[in-house]
Amino acid sequence: AQKITQTQPGMFVQEKEAVTLDCTYDTSDPSYGLFWYKQPSSGEMIFLIYQGSYDQQNATEGRYSLNFQKARKSANLVISASQLGDSAMYFCAMRVQTSGSRLTFGEGTQLTVNP
Amino acid sequence: SQTIHQWPATLVQPVGSPLSLECTVEGTSNPNLYWYRQAAGRGLQLLFYSVGIGQISSEVPQNLSASRPQDRQFILSSKKLLLSDSGFYLCAWSLTGIHYEQYFGPGTRLTVT
Repeated sequence: AQKITQTQPGMFVQEKEAVTLDCTYDTSDPSYGLFWYKQPSSGEMIFLIYQGSYDQQNATEGRYSLNFQKARKSANLVISASQLGDSAMYFCAMRVQTSGSRLTFGEGTQLTVNP
Repeated sequence: SQTIHQWPATLVQPVGSPLSLECTVEGTSNPNLYWYRQAAGRGLQLLFYSVGIGQISSEVPQNLSASRPQDRQFILSSKKLLLSDSGFYLCAWSLTGIHYEQYFGPGTRLTVT
């Protein structure tokens, strides 16, 4: 079975600083994809970034980057130059080849950006 | 471009009443469709997913059911709501393949009283 663990229920960061949100995963399938989503207080789920298990380089999308350490089974999200609008719930998720269409989510990390 | 619609946005229903939540996708064909439920402050729990018309997979046994009467329409139903059915319900779609992200609708906040 697949599992995503996010050990930080809440994180605080000062505006303009960088922050790392932790995510570890567990799967025996060699082919998988890792995703990060942002959920503001409005409830919508916003896709941020994707990393494939066979990708050689860490994914980057603007201020978001994914620190992918395959041997440690970790896929941490790094947000650079935090903005007040980054305050939200962040979810790590995984999709594996053998489970078809299903996406397994972690419990999330609530990020608060302080001015 | 693709768009996903969900309605209603909020719903307050008494225990024992029926439920019907609708989700439609525009701008794509034969999408995978999903229903999730989210309790307050928690992660998403996959309830149902569908890879085609009439094909529904259930992830969690409960008093909810799902149907896909058309290619881009996904319906979540219940004959009799329970208090424990309260939550935030999200519909999502994706293409087939592990590297495709899921796109979510705006969600329905259901309160069962």
